[in-house]
Amino acid sequence: GAGVSQSPSNKVTEKGKDVELRCDPISGHTALYWYRQSLGQGLEFLIYFQGNSAPDKSGLPSDRFSAERTGGSVSTLTIQRTQQEDSAVYLCASSLAAGGRYFGPGTRLTVT
Amino acid sequence: GESVGLHLPTLSVQEGDNSIINCAYSNSASDYFIWYKQESGKGPQFIIDIRSNMDKRQGQRVTVLLNKTVKHLSLQIAATQPGDSAVYFCAEDTSGNTPLVFGKGTRLSVIA
Repeated sequence: GAGVSQSPSNKVTEKGKDVELRCDPISGHTALYWYRQSLGQGLEFLIYFQGNSAPDKSGLPSDRFSAERTGGSVSTLTIQRTQQEDSAVYLCASSLAAGGRYFGPGTRLTVT
Repeated sequence: GESVGLHLPTLSVQEGDNSIINCAYSNSASDYFIWYKQESGKGPQFIIDIRSNMDKRQGQRVTVLLNKTVKHLSLQIAATQPGDSAVYFCAEDTSGNTPLVFGKGTRLSVIA
């Protein structure tokens, strides 16, 4: 398929463990975004990558959250020392320079 | 499975009727707007977008109206079908690939 893909689709982890979430954007899309959606809530911006520019990390909720984008394509969102409040659906989106963001199916993270 | 938007405003519409979903945006400098549809357990799906130099744009069965004077956006769905049942989000952006700001969402429920 040509859409945004994310893995894993579901992740259950114990409190205090680290997790890595992966996003494969649409080929050729220069911009990549991470959002978080908690139960019953809208989408919360986390971080944004545009080409080779420094990422916009203004939405990361704490220093336990980090993300990288390798080779301008695949991105990994890492959450260290997970807490129960980190439980949410983590959504990745990509876009061309100017246009609509296309979302992946999300990773549902459950911290027990 | 997890439900999106358990406490969102809900619009109930009879199958075949037209639906109008409204959104008030916050930033008068926003110049790009998108409507997304999100079904339970899935990522948001791009429906239609509009730039601030337009006040109306039509797609297949959908029309977006933009009123910049009162910072209001609406999504009209013609001949609503059961498959249209979902949570609908509006999103606003300012000058390119900045992080979209999402509204809280409205749940559309189609009564067959």
